[in-house]
Amino acid sequence: EPEVTQTPSHQVTQMGQEVILRCVPISNHLYFYWYRQILGQKVEFLVSFYNNEISEKSEIFDDQFSVERPDGSNFTLKIRSTKLEDSAMYFCASGTSGGETQYFGPGTRLLVL
Amino acid sequence: QKEVEQDPGPLSVPEGAIVSLNCTYSNSAFQYFMWYRQYSRKGPELLMYTYSSGNKEDGRFTAQVDKSSKYISLFIRDSQPSDSATYLCAMSAVAAGNKLTFGGGTRVLVKP
Repeated sequence: EPEVTQTPSHQVTQMGQEVILRCVPISNHLYFYWYRQILGQKVEFLVSFYNNEISEKSEIFDDQFSVERPDGSNFTLKIRSTKLEDSAMYFCASGTSGGETQYFGPGTRLLVL
Repeated sequence: QKEVEQDPGPLSVPEGAIVSLNCTYSNSAFQYFMWYRQYSRKGPELLMYTYSSGNKEDGRFTAQVDKSSKYISLFIRDSQPSDSATYLCAMSAVAAGNKLTFGGGTRVLVKP
């Protein structure tokens, strides 16, 4: 069964450093998303991406964040200058037409020290 | 008022019992309603997806949506210890680009 994959599974970084989180969505999906979950809190929407552009972003997704689909298979989330409060589990998701069914990857646990 | 509310539990049931989960929401624009299962420190796994009001059944799982009451439910029949997990409701509106708004999750423990 096809699934969303994410790398790395864990990332530890120093405050102010750049990190890139990588995702390989399900191959025939057209809609791509990033969510995050701070420990003990709700899953929160960050950004949606369709047709090679951002379709929607949340207030969390400020200028420090960017997304890219550099080739036909990868989807990345970059945080330019990490803050302590960026420590969270980051989930990539992909969906079919309309995006109403979204399938999540296993997540990348990011720890900013 | 929170956009999506969900009792955090924990909800403890004996094996074989029916698990009943629910969420309430405030945004009448929501049209798509999902239930996800999340094991500890793992990604959410899509269980059920329903469009608008009505019931949907898939094996041991039944999802119900009552848009007039802004209330959704998930029932798990013949619960198994492997059903022990956190269950998340999520919903979206087409106008909002189908971003998912999640409840906080209900932790379920099925005891053998």
